[in-house]
Amino acid sequence: EAEVAQSPRYKITEKSQAVAFWCDPISGHATLYWYRQILGQGPELLVQFQDESVVDDSQLPKDRFSAERLKGVDSTLKIQPAELGDSAMYLCASSPRRPHNEQFFGPGTRLTVL
Amino acid sequence: AQSVAQPEDQVNVAEGNPLTVKCTYSVSGNPYLFWYVQYPNRGLQFLLKYITGDNLVKGSYGFEAEFNKSQTSFHLKKPSALVSDSALYFCAVRDAGGYNKLIFGAGTRLAVHP
Repeated sequence: EAEVAQSPRYKITEKSQAVAFWCDPISGHATLYWYRQILGQGPELLVQFQDESVVDDSQLPKDRFSAERLKGVDSTLKIQPAELGDSAMYLCASSPRRPHNEQFFGPGTRLTVL
Repeated sequence: AQSVAQPEDQVNVAEGNPLTVKCTYSVSGNPYLFWYVQYPNRGLQFLLKYITGDNLVKGSYGFEAEFNKSQTSFHLKKPSALVSDSALYFCAVRDAGGYNKLIFGAGTRLAVHP
């Protein structure tokens, strides 16, 4: 069964450092999502791609976060500089282009900022 | 604005007993509702969705959910709980204005005791 891949699974960094997360969606899925899940809360969308274009980044802290999906396949989410409050699980998901389809989630990257 | 509420932080149930995890929603327009489950240090797994049609939706692992428009609820149910069902459960609603963006509730932890 096809799965969404993410790496690394765990990342520990010091504040002010740069971090990057990678996601490889299920083959053929046009839509890719990055969510942030703070402990004890539900996931919150950071950025959404349709193919290589950003269609929603309204909740992305653009002063420090950036995301790209250059060829419309895999994606990278970057934080620079990291802050203590960025400690969270970062989840990537993908879905087919058709509306109302469920999203398929990767295992996530747990980020700890010291 | 679209939103979902999960009024219970935790639900405790004995193995073999029926379980219910509650979710209420607030939407403008037709509701598109989802349930996901999350095991420790894992991504979210899709359980079921309501788009249209029958109010009783059947999903994975023996779970079902009942859509009630008058009560704006979408409660998750299972006739006989298993210890392995112990996990974090999230209700979500599709955002009306987005490209299949999901808005998640805060989650309910289900604990099934032997």
